[in-house]
Amino acid sequence: KAGVTQTPRYLIKTRGQQVTLSCSPISGHRSVSWYQQTPGQGLQFLFEYFSETQRNKGNFPGRFSGRQFSNSRSEMNVSTLELGDSALYLCASSLWGQGWEQYFGPGTRLTVT
Amino acid sequence: DAKTTQPPSMDCAEGRAANLPCNHSTISGNEYVYWYRQIHSQGPQYIIHGLKNNETNEMASLIITEDRKSSTLILPHATLRDTAVYYCIVADMEYGNKLVFGAGTILRVKS
Repeated sequence: KAGVTQTPRYLIKTRGQQVTLSCSPISGHRSVSWYQQTPGQGLQFLFEYFSETQRNKGNFPGRFSGRQFSNSRSEMNVSTLELGDSALYLCASSLWGQGWEQYFGPGTRLTVT
Repeated sequence: DAKTTQPPSMDCAEGRAANLPCNHSTISGNEYVYWYRQIHSQGPQYIIHGLKNNETNEMASLIITEDRKSSTLILPHATLRDTAVYYCIVADMEYGNKLVFGAGTILRVKS
């Protein structure tokens, strides 16, 4: 079974631009969560989608948004990029939404210059 | 904020058991204990989870104290490939899959 895939793997953007990251969960998984990882703040939860509905949201500004499609694939968008948005963005999928293990993708490395 | 306390780092000899402790004194009755690890430059990997009973799978064993205020992850025969950051997380998954990661424990397995 294929794992969680994220595209693109690497991305360089300029301050003020916007970016869209994509995540394809493991086949059959319905929950997708997004995390940001930086050296200073570590791994931080962004949001979770289950059956196309946002169920949980972390403490991030409104510039960070996401959505989930009917096939469970998910995208996250960051508008008006700031230098501090440079990070590894990780997507995780889970079979259901209650207490099941999450499987992480390799991440998208975003660099904002 | 993370609800767990872990030592910043530990060393283990290859082939020996690695015992990673975690304190979660404020854990509530509905919260599970989860362990994940992150090998350099990769996404975190699920290891094991439990509520109050000890658990074992092909990767590790999880020992939870009777009062549930602490737990220990045991890697029975550590290899060099087990060198990673290990995260202990407590979470109530009834309403979703939000994981709050702390700083974790850097485990170095040495030959």
